[in-house]
Amino acid sequence: DSGVTQTPKHLITATGQRVTLRCSPRSGDLSVYWYQQSLDQGLQFLIQYYNGEERAKGNILERFSAQQFPDLHSELNLSSLELGDSALYFCASSVTSGPPYNEQFFGPGTRLTVL
Amino acid sequence: AQTVTQSQPEMSVQEAETVTLSCTYDTSESDYYLFWYKQPPSRQMILVIRQEAYKQQNATENRFSVNFQKAAKSFSLKISDSQLGDAAMYFCAYRSARGTDKLIFGTGTRLQVFP
Repeated sequence: DSGVTQTPKHLITATGQRVTLRCSPRSGDLSVYWYQQSLDQGLQFLIQYYNGEERAKGNILERFSAQQFPDLHSELNLSSLELGDSALYFCASSVTSGPPYNEQFFGPGTRLTVL
Repeated sequence: AQTVTQSQPEMSVQEAETVTLSCTYDTSESDYYLFWYKQPPSRQMILVIRQEAYKQQNATENRFSVNFQKAAKSFSLKISDSQLGDAAMYFCAYRSARGTDKLIFGTGTRLQVFP
């Protein structure tokens, strides 16, 4: 158990819908990362937040958005869902951001299925 | 942009034997980190081993060791005394030491362990 929690574990929804994935980082971690693992794209970085502010952005679609709240939990919002959005979405957290090295601890993931 | 390549989609090994998983990467940076992550059927991402590019000595964690060849941009993982519990997907990953914290993953190698 990494200490990072993600809810829900599984989510099944229809095309065109909107969903929210939630992540609680390890106690004391200020940085949260979102990754998507799909059959087509593999594992790819979506976005990073550090202490409530967006720190880095990857290949995140405009239909997707995220935020980190004052209590440091984060939410990933996916809208106008398409079949291709079906994937495993990981949240990871780390103590800080930038050098020196700090390990990213991964949550168990949320499996999203779009029908 | 940095890329990570794993050219072995699948590998197999017999219990107690040794297996080596390959990874190459491309970067123009001189300071970075390399990782091997294990993803068992539970889908949890587990950090196996980490290598700092500035260190010449190859990292070792119990039965897991790496062969880091910086000039060749090669980073292979050796698993000694393979165990049934080693069966999983293994991902090679890159992270800049100076830029963003994002992890860049390879496509993965599925390792099967036979008794």
